Amino acid sequence: KAGVTQTPRYLIKTRGQQVTLSCSPISGHRSVSWYQQTPGQGLQFLFEYFSETQRNKGNFPGRFSGRQFSNSRSEMNVSTLELGDSALYLCASSLTGTVSYNEQFFGPGTRLTVL
Amino acid sequence: KNEVEQSPQNLTAQEEEFITINCSYSVGISALHWLQQHPGGGIVSLFMLSSGKKKHGRLIATINIQEKHSSLHITASHPRDSAVYICAVGRDNTDKLIFGTGTRLQVFP
Repeated sequence: KAGVTQTPRYLIKTRGQQVTLSCSPISGHRSVSWYQQTPGQGLQFLFEYFSETQRNKGNFPGRFSGRQFSNSRSEMNVSTLELGDSALYLCASSLTGTVSYNEQFFGPGTRLTVL
Repeated sequence: KNEVEQSPQNLTAQEEEFITINCSYSVGISALHWLQQHPGGGIVSLFMLSSGKKKHGRLIATINIQEKHSSLHITASHPRDSAVYICAVGRDNTDKLIFGTGTRLQVFP
């Protein structure tokens, strides 16, 4: 079975632009979660989608949004990029919902640099 | 104070040494996860546990719910174990993962 894939792997943007990142979960997995990792804040939960519905959201501004399609693929969007948005963005999938007590399978991440 | 604390932050070991990484948390949890992150960013889930002890190869994870503490042990460490080990807890009633800051392990031959 193919693992979780994320595209693109690397991205450079400038302040004020917007960006869309994509995540394809493991076949059959219906839950996709997104995380931001920075040297200063470590790993932080962004949001989780299950069956095209956002079920949980972390403490991030409204500039961060996401969606999930009927095939479970998910996208996250960051608008009006700021320098502090430079980070590794990771998505993870699991078979069912409830992130807390389901094994998460992580993708390789998208490294976003904002100049 | 962070809700999930890991110690030590950095750990250097010689090959074959027994290694222990600790994780303490201050919130009610549904489960605790141990993750491994290699340089380059990829994260692998090692264990998910809500009680007792789990073993996989040279890795052992234990959790004490009453003391709100978990340990990850690596027996007979090897240079390929060099990575960042991250503890994460699934917080009760929120279904979100809260992460520790990680322990950077380097194992030298």
